[in-house]
Amino acid sequence: GENVEQHPSTLSVQEGDSAVIKCTYSDSASNYFPWYKQELGKRPQLIIDIRSNVGEKKDQRIAVTLNKTAKHFSLHITETQPEDSAVYFCASTGNQFYFGTGTSLTVIP
Amino acid sequence: NAGVTQTPKFQVLKTGQSMTLQCAQDMNHNSMYWYRQDPGMGLRLIYYSASEGTTDKGEVPNGYNVSRLNKREFSLRLESAAPSQTSVYFCASTLELAVNEQFFGPGTRLTVL
Repeated sequence: GENVEQHPSTLSVQEGDSAVIKCTYSDSASNYFPWYKQELGKRPQLIIDIRSNVGEKKDQRIAVTLNKTAKHFSLHITETQPEDSAVYFCASTGNQFYFGTGTSLTVIP
Repeated sequence: NAGVTQTPKFQVLKTGQSMTLQCAQDMNHNSMYWYRQDPGMGLRLIYYSASEGTTDKGEVPNGYNVSRLNKREFSLRLESAAPSQTSVYFCASTLELAVNEQFFGPGTRLTVL
């Protein structure tokens, strides 16, 4: 089956700095790559996604890039704010969703 | 529009007891999923249902069974609970299998003593 690796597992940044989280996947047939944010005690919620026919997608302070050749995709958060503190999960899909193990992001005021 | 709902929110079981976790969605989605979430291990798929009338095993199906009762409802059953099944369980749904945004329920925190 698919194998999704996510790095780093923890990340601390100063407020206003950028944060980057990276994921790699193994199945070349994967074609949908969502990112989820999970606040403590809450459910995961989609923050951005990208499909295999697109290289980059942006939504305000959040962007995702996809390199299909290298089989990796990244989440970029600019101008980080304390409310960005959460666990972030990447996922890739074949016939089901395969999740990375998560990155705990802390934004220090 | 309630989205994805789950019951119960919390449950404590003794080893060997059985229980059913209920999940329902009102978004007319075809596909539904059950995950467990353990610290440091992300979300692991237990079972999924691509459409009404079908179910398939995910990554960690042992010790669980599921029923897709109708298009709205997808239940997860633990026949004989074990301490290793202590976890947070999330139900989720998508319009179609693995190609759309996945909506999650609020989760069930299960402790097996």
